[in-house]
Amino acid sequence: QITLKESGPTLVKPTQTLTLTCTFSGFSLSTSGVGVGWIRQPPGKALEWLALIYWNDDKRYSPSLKSRLTITKDTSKNQVVLTMTNMDPVDTATYYCAHSGPAAVPPMFDYWGQGTLVTVSS
Amino acid sequence: SYVLTQPPSVSVAPGQTARITCGGNNIGSKSVHWYQQKPGQAPVLVVYDDSDRPSGIPERFSGSNSGNTATLTISRVEAGDEADYYCQVWDSSSDHPGVVFGGGTKLTVL
Repeated sequence: QITLKESGPTLVKPTQTLTLTCTFSGFSLSTSGVGVGWIRQPPGKALEWLALIYWNDDKRYSPSLKSRLTITKDTSKNQVVLTMTNMDPVDTATYYCAHSGPAAVPPMFDYWGQGTLVTVSS
Repeated sequence: SYVLTQPPSVSVAPGQTARITCGGNNIGSKSVHWYQQKPGQAPVLVVYDDSDRPSGIPERFSGSNSGNTATLTISRVEAGDEADYYCQVWDSSSDHPGVVFGGGTKLTVL
């Protein structure tokens, strides 16, 4: 079965760079049409899409955060990494990674990780 | 950028029908997905491509999409349906295509 799990720091300081890793199993990011996305959710607020990477290394970013985000994949390790620069307290949120399947055109997220809470504070 | 508008809250008595709307410019031309999120849990896909259900999702969950409004309908509402619901589309209309989520609707079962 498909599983995803986020890992990374729980606390970062303002201006630092956040690096989150999504480790998955049950699918391959080399399969045509497959993608992995990152979505975040500030406490008590709505979901916000951040980035999406496809099997062919096509990458999409939220227009409002594009300048701060980088998404990469390591197919051999079954991992997707998201970096976000210049962290600010408003970036405090639960960060999720999620799977988008090969039949999902346009993308939809049918499997989600449990999420990881990242707090930005000095 | 494309904006999806949801009512902040919807209330319904058990056994009744809940309808949660998602408004967007000509949203009827897009595929809409719906997620259910219970407190402290990750979202769960409940409807995709406007009206299809993933396996394991009860038939009580259905969707429709036309014009400027998509609707998630939950029939015979149960206490366990109380959750936040989010709609999602792919915005291909801008220079930077991407995923868009609605602001979410809190469903309260009275």
